[in-house]
Amino acid sequence: DGGITQSPKYLFRKEGQNVTLSCEQNLNHDAMYWYRQDPGQGLRLIYYSQIVNDFQKGDIAEGYSVSREKKESFPLTVTSAQKNPTAFYLCASSMVGRGTGELFFGEGSRLTVL
Amino acid sequence: DAKTTQPPSMDCAEGRAANLPCNHSTISGNEYVYWYRQIHSQGPQYIIHGLKNNETNEMASLIITEDRKSSTLILPHATLRDTAVYYCIVRVDSSASKIIFGSGTRLSIRP
Repeated sequence: DGGITQSPKYLFRKEGQNVTLSCEQNLNHDAMYWYRQDPGQGLRLIYYSQIVNDFQKGDIAEGYSVSREKKESFPLTVTSAQKNPTAFYLCASSMVGRGTGELFFGEGSRLTVL
Repeated sequence: DAKTTQPPSMDCAEGRAANLPCNHSTISGNEYVYWYRQIHSQGPQYIIHGLKNNETNEMASLIITEDRKSSTLILPHATLRDTAVYYCIVRVDSSASKIIFGSGTRLSIRP
């Protein structure tokens, strides 16, 4: 079945460690996005990408890095520079074109820093 | 900042229509209105979208005002499973743009 897969679902890390969250889609979508969600809050955009080897910063990119080496994959690295990384992370993808911009979300990855 | 504003919470009786408003007074001519909902600790789910005409699908109806500065999502017969946070966003579909979500409306359905 087509969809978007995030892994791991739960992740624990010690302070000072980098961690990479995986996001894979088999929908042949051009655009991919990463959002962060804190308890009781809305979604905040970290990074987005329209095409392979190109990505743009969102509103809260500091302390995060991404890569887009393949159309299907958009991994997010939470670096030690991110001061408060404990959060729920959501990956999404969409087609690009008029009236087709529905976002498809993964089930999320919950990161806890110990 | 989000380009939309929504009431933080609403409630509705089960079986009645739930009408969720959204203001997007700075919407551009090529921006679509999209609605999503998020059930606790899951990824948001697409509901419906529109440009300027009213739209209906199996989940909901979307009413967009003539000046496009506001819209209303209608869940015609709300059930307990419709309890969720509902997000209204605006976006241009011709490119991958910064898609900004606001805080949404937390809809509670009472039995």
